[in-house]
Amino acid sequence: EVQLVESGGGLVQPGGSLRLSCAASGFTFSSNAMSWVRQTPGKGLEWVSAISGSGGSTYYADSVKGRFTISRDNSKNTLYLQMNSLRAEDTAVYYCAKDRGYSGYVPKDYWGQGALVTVSS
Amino acid sequence: AIQLTQSPSSLSASVGDRVTITCRASQGISSALAWYQQKPGKAPKFLIYDASSLESGVPSRFSGSGSGTDFTLTISSLQPEDFATYYCQQFNSYPLTFGGGTKVEIK
Repeated sequence: EVQLVESGGGLVQPGGSLRLSCAASGFTFSSNAMSWVRQTPGKGLEWVSAISGSGGSTYYADSVKGRFTISRDNSKNTLYLQMNSLRAEDTAVYYCAKDRGYSGYVPKDYWGQGALVTVSS
Repeated sequence: AIQLTQSPSSLSASVGDRVTITCRASQGISSALAWYQQKPGKAPKFLIYDASSLESGVPSRFSGSGSGTDFTLTISSLQPEDFATYYCQQFNSYPLTFGGGTKVEIK
């Protein structure tokens, strides 16, 4: 059974940093691209970032480029999102999602339960 | 970035009704479209990929169609458990984008 468990969310001040982790199990982690998708409370879904199975290719939304860094440790079956220079508009539930293939040009077939990030003073 | 416009933004229908949701892309995306269902407080659930292929385990009352810029999600006979918000998503090019969502309410 595929499981994705996010951790690391919480309250942070504007300008601060936070690192989200996503522990994956139930599939061959290195064979799949992975993504982060966020959802502002009461609003729609926004894709944030993606990384290929090897970690050699990364992609970012313009809204987070230069501030967020996606990475993965295939030996630990874990996905990360390092978030720096956080802004109030980054407040959202962040979902870790498994891509349906290796490269990233595929849909997301499994999602974690989400981690709430609140940016506020 | 490719914009996805869903319509309607919300609808109310009765159990047993046929429901159709549309998703229009701002430029052609071939068949690189997926549909997701999200219930309140839950993560999205994957329903359909490649515009019309049903994910394993998804009830056959769900179907998708379309290619290029115009796509539809159809629920052939609405069930009480289908109360949810539905999103389309394109994976033709980065940045990946989602539609604004369609909230389906049961009459």
